[in-house]
Amino acid sequence: AQSVSQHNHHVILSEAASLELGCNYSYGGTVNLFWYVQYPGQHLQLLLKYFSGDPLVKGIKGFEAEFIKSKFSFNLRKPSVQWSDTAEYFCAVNAGRGSTLGRLYFGRGTQLTVWP
Amino acid sequence: DVKVTQSSRYLVKRTGEKVFLECVQDMDHENMFWYRQDPGLGLRLIYFSYDVKMKEKGDIPEGYSVSREKKERFSLILESASTNQTSMYLCASSGGLPGTGELFFGEGSRLTVL
Repeated sequence: AQSVSQHNHHVILSEAASLELGCNYSYGGTVNLFWYVQYPGQHLQLLLKYFSGDPLVKGIKGFEAEFIKSKFSFNLRKPSVQWSDTAEYFCAVNAGRGSTLGRLYFGRGTQLTVWP
Repeated sequence: DVKVTQSSRYLVKRTGEKVFLECVQDMDHENMFWYRQDPGLGLRLIYFSYDVKMKEKGDIPEGYSVSREKKERFSLILESASTNQTSMYLCASSGGLPGTGELFFGEGSRLTVL
């Protein structure tokens, strides 16, 4: 089975600091990659996704992620975080073939706390 | 705007009770999923369905079953609830080919089993 690793369980930053959340996955073939976010008290929602093409993808609220195939990584970045970015962030991977078609494998999540 | 509605936000049940968690989506999505979310464990897939009356086991199906009699509705059933099933349960749906579309999540159902 695939695995998705998020390196940081809890990240604490001050406003205006830069953010990078790591995500690595184990599957070697073609993948679809996602970052989801869960704000306090809200449902999970899509932040950004990568299927193919430009490995640097931009999402909502100034977030971006870079797919590095050789490193099996899909790290999430934001140049300057805001207090409202406080949330839990989940990386997810879909292999897109065979018996796992359609399954999204989620990482364990990273809780981001931004101090004003 | 896609809406995934889970019937109960909070439930408290006793060990051994049968529990039904209902999920309805209003965007005619083919694919529906049930996850459980536990602190430090992320989301784990329980069951999923790509079509009416179709179901597939996810990674942690033990102790659960599902029903999809209509395209818009996907129910999760705990035949005999146990304390280790205390968790947040998330329903999600997506359209198009499985794995290619954005997952739309419900608000979640927090189940406590005493």
